[in-house]
Amino acid sequence: GAGVSQSPSNKVTEKGKDVELRCDPISGHTALYWYRQSLGQGLEFLIYFQGNSAPDKSGLPSDRFSAERTGGSVSTLTIQRTQQEDSAVYLCASRLLAGAYNEQFFGPGTRLTVL
Amino acid sequence: AQKVTQAQTEISVVEKEDVTLDCVYETRDTTYYLFWYKQPPSGELVFLIRRNSFDEQNEISGRYSWNFQKSTSSFNFTITASQVVDSAVYFCALSGVSGGYNKLIFGAGTRLAVHP
Repeated sequence: GAGVSQSPSNKVTEKGKDVELRCDPISGHTALYWYRQSLGQGLEFLIYFQGNSAPDKSGLPSDRFSAERTGGSVSTLTIQRTQQEDSAVYLCASRLLAGAYNEQFFGPGTRLTVL
Repeated sequence: AQKVTQAQTEISVVEKEDVTLDCVYETRDTTYYLFWYKQPPSGELVFLIRRNSFDEQNEISGRYSWNFQKSTSSFNFTITASQVVDSAVYFCALSGVSGGYNKLIFGAGTRLAVHP
């Protein structure tokens, strides 16, 4: 079946602009996660969604970052007033159920470059 | 606090050599899971293995094997008879009960280069 997809694969933007990154999880997966992979910080958890529960936003680095998940499926990560330090690969993952007994499947990522 | 340390930044081997990637973790959780993921040049993270904290049995899958030792908080990964296709960045990760098993805490990764 289809895996996790993300769009765009690459995004170049100017400092101060807003960007939206999209994630389509595997069909039927109820949990969705965003991570960031940058040279200086490695792989960091940003946020996760589980069904209709309130998302865990504890990893978001600032209030310029937000995410939503519509209809329990597609998710959008929005970065407002982008800064150069936001340049990174943003990875989305989905999971059948939140919890211990199944792994997270990752998408190919969106490479964001802020000029 | 939870932490995963992969001390080896880069490893270079010649094909057919065995190679071990080290992973040391820290957690106060009594129940947790450990993972290894592979990130080939294409960029997508590929799941390799999950191990729970109550199961210290070593595991072998083809040329891959994993050694989990709670006494030393280590979860090392060995590739036997390495191949060029094994070239990738390998990440060790941890998720614990305190995070609802949801947040993966990753190590910095080890870049493995296998040369013909």
